Amino acid sequence: NAGVTQTPKFQVLKTGQSMTLQCAQDMNHNSMYWYRQDPGMGLRLIYYSASEGTTDKGEVPNGYNVSRLNKREFSLRLESAAPSQTSVYFCASLGLTGELFFGEGSRLTVL
Amino acid sequence: AQSVSQHNHHVILSEAASLELGCNYSYGGTVNLFWYVQYPGQHLQLLLKYFSGDPLVKGIKGFEAEFIKSKFSFNLRKPSVQWSDTAEYFCADLNTGNQFYFGTGTSLTVIP
Repeated sequence: NAGVTQTPKFQVLKTGQSMTLQCAQDMNHNSMYWYRQDPGMGLRLIYYSASEGTTDKGEVPNGYNVSRLNKREFSLRLESAAPSQTSVYFCASLGLTGELFFGEGSRLTVL
Repeated sequence: AQSVSQHNHHVILSEAASLELGCNYSYGGTVNLFWYVQYPGQHLQLLLKYFSGDPLVKGIKGFEAEFIKSKFSFNLRKPSVQWSDTAEYFCADLNTGNQFYFGTGTSLTVIP
């Protein structure tokens, strides 16, 4: 049982490049989330998806887009990366008991 | 919008000391409150949660938290910390729209 799987685990980009972070869960959860974690700022919600086919903005959506491809997959895209997007990104899905299940994280550096 | 706030940014304790980490939430309706822990280099794991009922909830590894509605607080406690409790601790709440918000976290260092 893999839980929540994120790829890639590490990525270095140059300013202006684009990339997509992939996330998949095998627990049949409806709600999925993308967070970024920065020192001293905790986890900030970028986007979330309450169910397949729906997405909504969180606290810090600017510079990001998301796609809920199906119930399993929720991807996060940076169209034109900026140094301010250097962060650790976590994908999560919400279980029936209200617990969030997290992926291992993706460390992104934008030069 | 809901929010949670954690006022202790960095706590340093000796082993066997007692721990209390503060968490306040600002939403006045139904609350679903959580404490998560992040050990160095790992992702977040659930310590405990409160939805309703007994305001004193017990979690894993000897942690507990008390929900005090009048104070909008959900503080995390442990009677005697161990070196292995060194980690970052996050308070969080979940609203009716399934938005999950986290506090800024408290870094705990336990000195052997």
